[in-house]
Amino acid sequence: DIQMTQSPSSLSASVGDRVTITCRASQSISTYLNWYQQKPEKAPNLLIYAASSLQSGVPSRFSGSGSGTDFTLTISSLQPEDFATYYCQQSYSAPPYTFGQGTKLEIQ
Amino acid sequence: QVQLQESGPGLVKPSETLSLTCTVSGGSISSYSWSWIRQPPEKGLEWIGYIYNSGSTTYSPSLKSRVSISVDTSKNQFSLKLRFMTAADTAVYYCARGRWFGERGNYYYGMDVWGQGTTVTVSS
Repeated sequence: DIQMTQSPSSLSASVGDRVTITCRASQSISTYLNWYQQKPEKAPNLLIYAASSLQSGVPSRFSGSGSGTDFTLTISSLQPEDFATYYCQQSYSAPPYTFGQGTKLEIQ
Repeated sequence: QVQLQESGPGLVKPSETLSLTCTVSGGSISSYSWSWIRQPPEKGLEWIGYIYNSGSTTYSPSLKSRVSISVDTSKNQFSLKLRFMTAADTAVYYCARGRWFGERGNYYYGMDVWGQGTTVTVSS
């Protein structure tokens, strides 16, 4: 299985901050990388696919980059509704389509 | 727009079989792929497997010996069965639609519509 490792596991930030979350794959996955946002007691929501393509309806303050083994999710200016847990997922090789362990973004 | 709704028992006894159904509304199940994902309490997401509209399935190796996913196109539903349940299978179970996004000359898989999730507890 391809292992996905996110850092940090948790992060405190303030409204208006620029935030970056990192995801590393255990082997090259080209740009087959998704990012999801999950709010408490809610289902995950697809933010970005193909490492950098914004899913329809997702605000442009979210962006993704990277290829190979190293990827980043950036939120350019944090809004109150962005405090959530973020997961990366590789879609290069299944089974399984493995997720990272998650990064919890909290209000500072 | 397409909506998904999970249904099934909230409590399962150890060694029994879990059966969950996901009902698709607002669109046909005869397209896309259809996945199950679970999330144990206070933990991350685990992909269980998916089924294509053709009926072909792919399962996570860690669960492959115990899991099966099927589809009923007449009811616009797909289902999960997980045998020999243990406490480690206690989780919120989600169903989701998977699709292939065409981008830069390639196709990329992502799950773009999710059900709200259903909590399953394994306990005697």
